[in-house]
Amino acid sequence: AQKVTQAQTEISVVEKEDVTLDCVYETRDTTYYLFWYKQPPSGELVFLIRRNSFDEQNEISGRYSWNFQKSTSSFNFTITASQVVDSAVYFCAYQAPGYSTLTFGKGTMLLVSP
Amino acid sequence: NAGVTQTPKFRVLKTGQSMTLLCAQDMNHEYMYWYRQDPGMGLRLIHYSVGEGTTAKGEVPDGYNVSRLKKQNFLLGLESAAPSQTSVYFCASSYSSGPGNIQYFGAGTRLSVL
Repeated sequence: AQKVTQAQTEISVVEKEDVTLDCVYETRDTTYYLFWYKQPPSGELVFLIRRNSFDEQNEISGRYSWNFQKSTSSFNFTITASQVVDSAVYFCAYQAPGYSTLTFGKGTMLLVSP
Repeated sequence: NAGVTQTPKFRVLKTGQSMTLLCAQDMNHEYMYWYRQDPGMGLRLIHYSVGEGTTAKGEVPDGYNVSRLKKQNFLLGLESAAPSQTSVYFCASSYSSGPGNIQYFGAGTRLSVL
């Protein structure tokens, strides 16, 4: 069975600091997808990014960037110049081939203070 | 365009009472899911549906039943609520089961069982 580990339970930073959220997964599958979701204080889950296991290119979207390394089974998420609005719980999730369901990590709570 | 709508948003039950949570999506998605979110546990899949009239068990199905009588609706039932079912419940939907399908989430239902 697949497993997703987000070892950082809670991270606190001051605004404008860079922060990296770690995600490590365990699988025997050769193809799979990885996801990041954001859960702001309002409660809903918001999709951030999807990554195919064959695509190891890093991705950047504004202040957000993702580093996927298949060799270390990691899919880390970096926020550059963090802002208070980035305060949220962030979830990493795994999707096995042939399945529509997601296996979530336990989440990392990010607190950005002014 | 409402996306995924969950009702009610909050509910308090006494042990042994029953209730039904409603999830409605207006995106014509084929797949729908029910998760529960508990502190420190991330999101865990309760049941899911691959189409109208079809349901399947997820990781933590005990104590819950579901029905998908209409494509746009997915109901989660608690026949005899227990304090262990105190949680935040999320519904999600996705267009297909194809690889990398993105799940879109509702705002959640916070349930307390006393």
